[in-house]
Amino acid sequence: EAQVTQNPRYLITVTGKKLTVTCSQNMNHEYMSWYRQDPGLGLRQIYYSMNVEVTDKGDVPEGYKVSRKEKRNFPLILESPSPNQTSLYFCASSPSLGQGARDIQYFGAGTRLSVL
Amino acid sequence: GNSVTQMEGPVTLSEEAFLTINCTYTATGYPSLFWYVQYPGEGLQLLLKATKADDKGSNKGFEATYRKETTSFHLEKGSVQVSDSAVYFCALTGNEKLTFGTGTRLTIIP
Repeated sequence: EAQVTQNPRYLITVTGKKLTVTCSQNMNHEYMSWYRQDPGLGLRQIYYSMNVEVTDKGDVPEGYKVSRKEKRNFPLILESPSPNQTSLYFCASSPSLGQGARDIQYFGAGTRLSVL
Repeated sequence: GNSVTQMEGPVTLSEEAFLTINCTYTATGYPSLFWYVQYPGEGLQLLLKATKADDKGSNKGFEATYRKETTSFHLEKGSVQVSDSAVYFCALTGNEKLTFGTGTRLTIIP
């Protein structure tokens, strides 16, 4: 089954304790992206990757890191989490972007993170 | 930069009512336009799309037409069901990213 898998689904942590949220897709997609969803703000892009070893900042990259060593995986790293990073996070993948019909993004089920 | 403005929610309707959720956009070039839906506790999934002017996207009884002259992509459904209760996001592609509106929460009452 084609899917984007995020882990964990729920995470409670404390300020300053490094954490990683994993994302994996089995569709051989080139493009992957991380978003955060906050009430009244919709989805905002954190980082994206056009292909292996190619990553770039989205709209709200501060406090986050990513890597793309393999095509299928795109982990999100919070080196020193703070309470303002409490949010619902989504990973997404796409065959490509900017090519009309190939623009469709497939989303993971989400990771709800609370930073105390 | 690109931006999407969609109808403020929440929207509450009775079953079988007509639905319109407004969406307008600002973009350079010729973006593709999308409606995504998020059911409770789930990730977003594509509802419908249109890739050029005057295209009509449709799925599950929902429709939206890409109107370049009014820069709009309004979502419509003739008769809503309780199962349509969800959050709906209008979005467009451009500049290597997908730009979303803030979402409209729709609740259908039996």
